[in-house]
Amino acid sequence: AQTVTQSQPEMSVQEAETVTLSCTYDTSESDYYLFWYKQPPSRQMILVIRQEAYKQQNATENRFSVNFQKAAKSFSLKISDSQLGDAAMYFCAYFSGSARQLTFGSGTQLTVLP
Amino acid sequence: GAGVSQTPSNKVTEKGKYVELRCDPISGHTALYWYRQSLGQGPEFLIYFQGTGAADDSGLPNDRFFAVRPEGSVSTLKIQRTERGDSAVYLCASSPKGGLNTEAFFGQGTRLTVV
Repeated sequence: AQTVTQSQPEMSVQEAETVTLSCTYDTSESDYYLFWYKQPPSRQMILVIRQEAYKQQNATENRFSVNFQKAAKSFSLKISDSQLGDAAMYFCAYFSGSARQLTFGSGTQLTVLP
Repeated sequence: GAGVSQTPSNKVTEKGKYVELRCDPISGHTALYWYRQSLGQGPEFLIYFQGTGAADDSGLPNDRFFAVRPEGSVSTLKIQRTERGDSAVYLCASSPKGGLNTEAFFGQGTRLTVV
C-alpha cells in the first residue's frame, strides 16, 4: 500500500516571502501522479499543482512549483511571493495507477503573516 | 451544475440513527469518489464508482456503510446505526474518466456529527 508523509503539521511565512512544504511517499509502482491540494476553511479541496511520475521536469503553476525527486520519493511544494489568500491546509496526495484512488498525507497548516 | 454539490452541508444525528449523504457530481463525469476526513487528518478513501458500479469499495470501514449510484450520476452514502466515531467530514469528488490524467473535482463536503 502507498503511504504519504507530511512531517510539518504547521508552517508560517511572511507575506511576499517564499515557503517550502515537504512531502515524502512510499510506493512500488512506476506509474502514478502526485498532487498538492489546498483546503481553505470552506472545506473544498482545490487542486494546486500536479506532477506525472514519468516526467523529470518539475511542474510549475504561476507562483507554485514542485521539487520532484523520484528516486528519493520526495515531492515538495514551493510557494513564491506568498499572499494572504494562500493561508490554508495543504495536502500532498498520491494517485495510484492501479488502485485508482488518492492517498493523502496528514496535511500542513500554512499561515501567512502580514 | 457548475461543480460537485453535496447535501446537506451539515448533519447532526443521534447515535444509532440512519443517515444519507448525497453527492451530485459534475455532469458527464463517470468517476465518483467518496472520502472521509476526520478532524486534523487527511481524507481517507472510502469507495470509487465508475458509472453505476462500485469499482472499489475497499475503503468502507464496515458493513454499516453502503453507497449507491443507480443511474451513474447522483450518489448516496448511507450509514446505518451511526456511532460517535463516524463523526467526520465526508467528501465527494468526481472526474471525467477516473484515469491517471484526469483531475478530480471535490465538493465542499458534509460535516456529520453523531451525538
